[in-house]
Amino acid sequence: AQSVTQLDSHVSVSEGTPVLLRCNYSSSYSPSLFWYVQHPNKGLQLLLKYTSAATLVKGINGFEAEFKKSETSFHLTKPSAHMSDAAEYFCVVSVYFGNEKLTFGTGTRLTIIP
Amino acid sequence: GAVVSQHPSWVICKSGTSVKIECRSLDFQATTMFWYRQFPKQSLMLMATSNEGSKATYEQGVEKDKFLINHASLTLSTLTVTSAHPEDSSFYICSVQRGGDTQYFGPGTRLTVL
Repeated sequence: AQSVTQLDSHVSVSEGTPVLLRCNYSSSYSPSLFWYVQHPNKGLQLLLKYTSAATLVKGINGFEAEFKKSETSFHLTKPSAHMSDAAEYFCVVSVYFGNEKLTFGTGTRLTIIP
Repeated sequence: GAVVSQHPSWVICKSGTSVKIECRSLDFQATTMFWYRQFPKQSLMLMATSNEGSKATYEQGVEKDKFLINHASLTLSTLTVTSAHPEDSSFYICSVQRGGDTQYFGPGTRLTVL
């Protein structure tokens, strides 16, 4: 079985300061890991994904995440927050059993303070 | 990535009626489509997976007779909520996938059952 724990339900940062959204995972298999962003009234958008290649993954809009197997973590970071980053972020683990099954974390709401 | 639409985006119905939600892959032939459910302030939960031309595979705890899924073509899947009740009120999101590639998500459909 696989699971994802997002350690913070809500994170607030000032515009221009770094962003850190924390995620820990559990999987019986070698997982693929994703970060998705959900803006209000819009579909989920893929930020980045890890699929057992480089442990530091760069995504869109300046986001990146580092896969740390020893810590079972996949934290999302961005050096400088922008107002447009305010949204809900989901950490997701994927396994294949014939078809792909995505397991979502509970989400972290990111608020940007002007 | 793929462009995915859902129709309607918002529906209100009376208890006991049935509601059909469409998921279309506009520029992408999806071999697999997924249906998720998201309760307010909660994460997405996979309801079922369907491959074109095959019966859907439902997750444990999801009533297949209540949530009818039809994957009629490589670009269209429908979810019908039969005899809807207030507890079925939720945000329903579909995603599409080709082969083992990334899942692309629709914008979601908000169902309110009175």
